[in-house]
Amino acid sequence: DGGITQSPKYLFRKEGQNVTLSCEQNLNHDAMYWYRQDPGQGLRLIYYSQIVNDFQKGDIAEGYSVSREKKESFPLTVTSAQKNPTAFYLCASSTKADRGSSNQPQHFGDGTRLSIL
Amino acid sequence: AQSVAQPEDQVNVAEGNPLTVKCTYSVSGNPYLFWYVQYPNRGLQFLLKYITGDNLVKGSYGFEAEFNKSQTSFHLKKPSALVSDSALYFCAVRDILGNTPLVFGKGTRLSVIA
Repeated sequence: DGGITQSPKYLFRKEGQNVTLSCEQNLNHDAMYWYRQDPGQGLRLIYYSQIVNDFQKGDIAEGYSVSREKKESFPLTVTSAQKNPTAFYLCASSTKADRGSSNQPQHFGDGTRLSIL
Repeated sequence: AQSVAQPEDQVNVAEGNPLTVKCTYSVSGNPYLFWYVQYPNRGLQFLLKYITGDNLVKGSYGFEAEFNKSQTSFHLKKPSALVSDSALYFCAVRDILGNTPLVFGKGTRLSVIA
């Protein structure tokens, strides 16, 4: 089945530690996204990538880093600089339009819940 | 800049009654509009989208949404609510010009009471 796999489902971070959240898709999508979800705040965009080896900051990129070395993978690292990392993290992917915006929906994984120890 | 407003944090409806979840948007040009549903500890599931054409869009699980350009709204509706519809609903928008990610509203929690 085609889809997006996020792992782990639950993750705990110690003070001063970097942690990496995995996101893999087999939908052959060009674009991938990371969102952070906090209660009552909806989804906020952290980073996105529209092509391999390229990515852009979203609205709340500080304290996070990403890489896009392969089309199917877009890992997110939550660094020690992110002082309030406790949240539900969602990865998504979508097709990329040749020009203008894509009218296709973004597909989402089932998330990783990150907590501080 | 693109933005979405979902004015109600919570909507309560009795089972069997019609439901409406409100959404208004702001884009520079014309919009692509989407509705998603989220169940606890899960990702978002796509329900329906508006691209162009008919203002009434039908989607999954009996949901539909009406695009109103003059009111910049895209309200989600269902004629008869089920208890299993209880979930968090998100509206999202993307300007058709420029290749940018979806912008999401803050979500509306729907509670259907038996």
